[in-house]
Amino acid sequence: GDSVTQMEGPVTLSEEAFLTINCTYTATGYPSLFWYVQYPGEGLQLLLKATKADDKGSNKGFEATYRKETTSFHLEKGSVQVSDSAVYFCALWQTGANNLFFGTGTRLTVIP
Amino acid sequence: GAVVSQHPSRVICKSGTSVKIECRSLDFQATTMFWYRQFPKQSLMLMATSNEGSKATYEQGVEKDKFLINHASLTLSTLTVTSAHPEDSSFYICSARSTQGYNSPLHFGNGTRLTVT
Repeated sequence: GDSVTQMEGPVTLSEEAFLTINCTYTATGYPSLFWYVQYPGEGLQLLLKATKADDKGSNKGFEATYRKETTSFHLEKGSVQVSDSAVYFCALWQTGANNLFFGTGTRLTVIP
Repeated sequence: GAVVSQHPSRVICKSGTSVKIECRSLDFQATTMFWYRQFPKQSLMLMATSNEGSKATYEQGVEKDKFLINHASLTLSTLTVTSAHPEDSSFYICSARSTQGYNSPLHFGNGTRLTVT
């Protein structure tokens, strides 16, 4: 069945460091891929998405490229800030399905 | 933006009692609401999908008699954990969508941490 495998955390980085959170998926066909972020005490928010192969989603300095050949959707940011500290979830939406499949979440802590 | 309010954020209850969790869409009508459960270090697992005015659709392995879901209006869905046991302790989170399809974003509540003693 469809699934998402996400890099385990927690991840601790210094401010302005480069961030990569790995995400790979297993699915038939051409799913849509998402990154959600959950800031402390808040609900999940959509960070970015990509709906077809080679698409790049971007938002708030974060980027992720839909790589069908490697079935990956890694999240990257060139220079993290303390305010980026949160839990990040990779998710997959399969065409015709009614729900998202989530990864386990990766907690990021950015220290000054 | 669209807001989903989930209440309570934390609840502690004794084994054998029932707990109700509310999920409200504050500024939009949610035709579909989803309930998820998250165990430590695991994914958010979909428990059930509810459409306003109809019975919820439960995922395989989820006991419908234990996790009662009601979606009586376009802005409110409730999850009742009946006769709770310590193994029901978990993080429950709801989400809501106003229209079908991946282009309609899911809006999530802040989650409810349930602890059964």
